[in-house]
Amino acid sequence: AQTVTQSQPEMSVQEAETVTLSCTYDTSESNYYLFWYKQPPSRQMILVIRQEAYKQQNATENRFSVNFQKAAKSFSLKISDSQLGDTAMYFCAFMKLPGANSKLTFGKGITLSVRP
Amino acid sequence: GAVVSQHPSWVICKSGTSVKIECRSLDFQATTMFWYRQFPKQSLMLMATSNEGSKATYEQGVEKDKFLINHASLTLSTLTVTSAHPEDSSFYICSARRQGGTDTQYFGPGTRLTVL
Repeated sequence: AQTVTQSQPEMSVQEAETVTLSCTYDTSESNYYLFWYKQPPSRQMILVIRQEAYKQQNATENRFSVNFQKAAKSFSLKISDSQLGDTAMYFCAFMKLPGANSKLTFGKGITLSVRP
Repeated sequence: GAVVSQHPSWVICKSGTSVKIECRSLDFQATTMFWYRQFPKQSLMLMATSNEGSKATYEQGVEKDKFLINHASLTLSTLTVTSAHPEDSSFYICSARRQGGTDTQYFGPGTRLTVL
């Protein structure tokens, strides 16, 4: 079974600064995807970024980037130039492949507060 | 886009009654849909996976007779909470995977159920 660990329950960052959210996972699979989802106060889950395990290059989406260390089974999210709208709960998630019913395994989440 | 809707967004019911929650993929066909439950400040817990035209696969510990799932078409899945009790009060979220697409799940906005 896969496990996803987010050990920091809460973090706070000043607006315009950079923050890194940590995530580690445990799996015996060699082919999988990793995701970061954002859940703002509206509670709508929003995909932030996704990384395929076979890709060595770290994924980037505008101000969001990941540091994917496959050997260490680490998948951290860096948010640059933090904005007030980044205030949300962030979940790291794992999905093994292949399979039509491949499921997401979520970490416990981290609450990020961006201070004005 | 990949929009998933849920209806209703919130519902209050009396103990012992049944409640149906709908999950629709609005602009794509979804062969697989997932139902999650989320308690405040906690992570998403997968309840079941549903495939169009077949029986849902329930996670361990989820009562299939209490949480009835029907995936009658490629755009609609329903979750019926039967004989609801106060402990069933929670936030229920569905997600859908696009037919023939990547393994990304697109989430609905969630339904808040309160059982009195």
